Amino acid sequence: AQTVTQSQPEMSVQEAETVTLSCTYDTSESDYYLFWYKQPPSRQMILVIRQEAYKQQNATENRFSVNFQKAAKSFSLKISDSQLGDAAMYFCAYRSGSGGSNYKLTFGKGTLLTVNP
Amino acid sequence: GAGVSQSPSNKVTEKGKDVELRCDPISGHTALYWYRQSLGQGLEFLIYFQGNSAPDKSGLPSDRFSAERTGGSVSTLTIQRTQQEDSAVYLCASRPHDLAGGWNEQFFGPGTRLTVL
Repeated sequence: AQTVTQSQPEMSVQEAETVTLSCTYDTSESDYYLFWYKQPPSRQMILVIRQEAYKQQNATENRFSVNFQKAAKSFSLKISDSQLGDAAMYFCAYRSGSGGSNYKLTFGKGTLLTVNP
Repeated sequence: GAGVSQSPSNKVTEKGKDVELRCDPISGHTALYWYRQSLGQGLEFLIYFQGNSAPDKSGLPSDRFSAERTGGSVSTLTIQRTQQEDSAVYLCASRPHDLAGGWNEQFFGPGTRLTVL
């Protein structure tokens, strides 16, 4: 079974600074997808960024980028120019590429990000 | 268009009572998931529906939990004889039909916070 580990229960960053959230995963599969979700107090899960395992190029979405190290099974999220609205719980998630997996997501326990003004 | 909706937003019940949680997926989405988010934990998969296929119930924690999906649309998660450890946020997600090699992105509802006294 796949597992996802987020080793930082809490992180804080100053507004306009950069912060990196860590995520490692364990799998024996070669075809999979990785995601970072943001969950603000409203509880709404918002997809931040996603990465296909077969792509070597790291995904980027505006101020959000990932450092995907497939051999190390590491998938960290970097938030640049942090804004107050970035404060939330962030979850790393894994999804098998196999249709037989029902495409369900396996989540880490989350990292609570605080942004200080 | 309308997103995934869930009701009620919050539910407080007494130990031993039965509860029903409702999910309205995005129109046209064939796949539907239920996840549970306990305090300090990531989301854990509960059950998956896809069209008219038999549901994947592999994540249900006990036989007190059941779910149904009527007409391929609305889903109800039922917890019988609730226990205090059932207190959690229950999230529903839906996605379009399977697309081999595609993102198969899940869209989440705002969740129902269940408190068992």
